[in-house]
Amino acid sequence: ETGVTQTPRHLVMGMTNKKSLKCEQHLGHNAMYWYKQSAKKPLELMFVYSLEERVENNSVPSRFSPECPNSSHLFLHLHTLQPEDSALYLCASSQGWDGFYEQYFGPGTRLTVT
Amino acid sequence: AQSVTQLGSHVSVSEGALVLLRCNYSSSVPPYLFWYVQYPNQGLQLLLKYTTGATLVKGINGFEAEFKKSETSFHLTKPSAHMSDAAEYFCAVIFKAAGNKLTFGGGTRVLVKP
Repeated sequence: ETGVTQTPRHLVMGMTNKKSLKCEQHLGHNAMYWYKQSAKKPLELMFVYSLEERVENNSVPSRFSPECPNSSHLFLHLHTLQPEDSALYLCASSQGWDGFYEQYFGPGTRLTVT
Repeated sequence: AQSVTQLGSHVSVSEGALVLLRCNYSSSVPPYLFWYVQYPNQGLQLLLKYTTGATLVKGINGFEAEFKKSETSFHLTKPSAHMSDAAEYFCAVIFKAAGNKLTFGGGTRVLVKP
């Protein structure tokens, strides 16, 4: 595997379910990001981790819970979601956070909440 | 407030015609500037970026963009559209001293007519 991978690519879940999205980067980067891409809204940054520490939480509801166990893996745990949470969730990584570093994106997980 | 705006959510061009996508930012200090492309069911791919130096930057697939400080703009062009250019294009910025945080415009979907 190369670059940034995300699993699953598609997920359908009910409002009472608990599920997790996984992201893995094979680039040796130290920073990882979650973005939300909804129809009719600009891409929104959700969370940033740098060296496994959360450095940014962009006012995201607590029903989204990120986890970064090491610099190569990032998870987004989902519980009691709402239909408006249906979106494409993109993961990205970069060499660092404190400064300018190009971000590399995964293909995304298309989430549908029923 | 700092922001980035893309004029036109949809653009239709004929194959072989000029592609022009507009991006303006609002900031007292020029940010780092990017254009990304997203093909259907895929993540974001970096087309080009401006950080410093020459204001005309060339990217992949024949695209280029020019940073104009006086106009706070970073418009994307391609002299001759190809069918494979049909995709959604995002202008993004990193406002300096705000961490490596990308702020995206709303996106412009390009349709190429034969």
